Amino acid sequence: GAGVSQSPSNKVTEKGKDVELRCDPISGHTALYWYRQSLGQGLEFLIYFQGNSAPDKSGLPSDRFSAERTGGSVSTLTIQRTQQEDSAVYLCASSYRAGTEAFFGQGTRLTVV
Amino acid sequence: GESVGLHLPTLSVQEGDNSIINCAYSNSASDYFIWYKQESGKGPQFIIDIRSNMDKRQGQRVTVLLNKTVKHLSLQIAATQPGDSAVYFCAEWGTGNQFYFGTGTSLTVIP
Repeated sequence: GAGVSQSPSNKVTEKGKDVELRCDPISGHTALYWYRQSLGQGLEFLIYFQGNSAPDKSGLPSDRFSAERTGGSVSTLTIQRTQQEDSAVYLCASSYRAGTEAFFGQGTRLTVV
Repeated sequence: GESVGLHLPTLSVQEGDNSIINCAYSNSASDYFIWYKQESGKGPQFIIDIRSNMDKRQGQRVTVLLNKTVKHLSLQIAATQPGDSAVYFCAEWGTGNQFYFGTGTSLTVIP
């Protein structure tokens, strides 16, 4: 498709399990961002990828969170040993380059039980 | 740190009236701003953007105004429709590698 695609759309996991969230950015977009949105809240920055440069991981809340971007395209956000406070909507966005129009996917709603 | 704030968390307008949603930002070095619309259960949808070398930009039924002197951004929606009901976020591209978002303004359009 033409937009940012995220999968799964919903994920329910047990506390302590690992989860992987996937993001397919818009073709040709070099910048990719992950954000987290808790219920009724704004967007919390997690990580930023730009081309082949080292990612900006400054927003990752703990070492249980990691992300990678393979071949400058698809990105995976991994949360290890999930906790209940990890429950949120995880949003991915991409833009042609840094500081230009950023378009979001529909998000993955993660529920840790 | 940087912050992007909104003056009003909720706004109710009558259908057909104009809506104005405000946003304050703190980083005078920010040079790019976006307004997003988010409907329930969906990701933020790009509405309109503006760069710091402009004061005003118009789209279809929407206008964004930027006042760099007081670090203020506003989104004007003309002839508001029920489909405009959503949460609106302003986002600021600052000195870090990220867009900074406010907590959003919930717009309710009364038929």
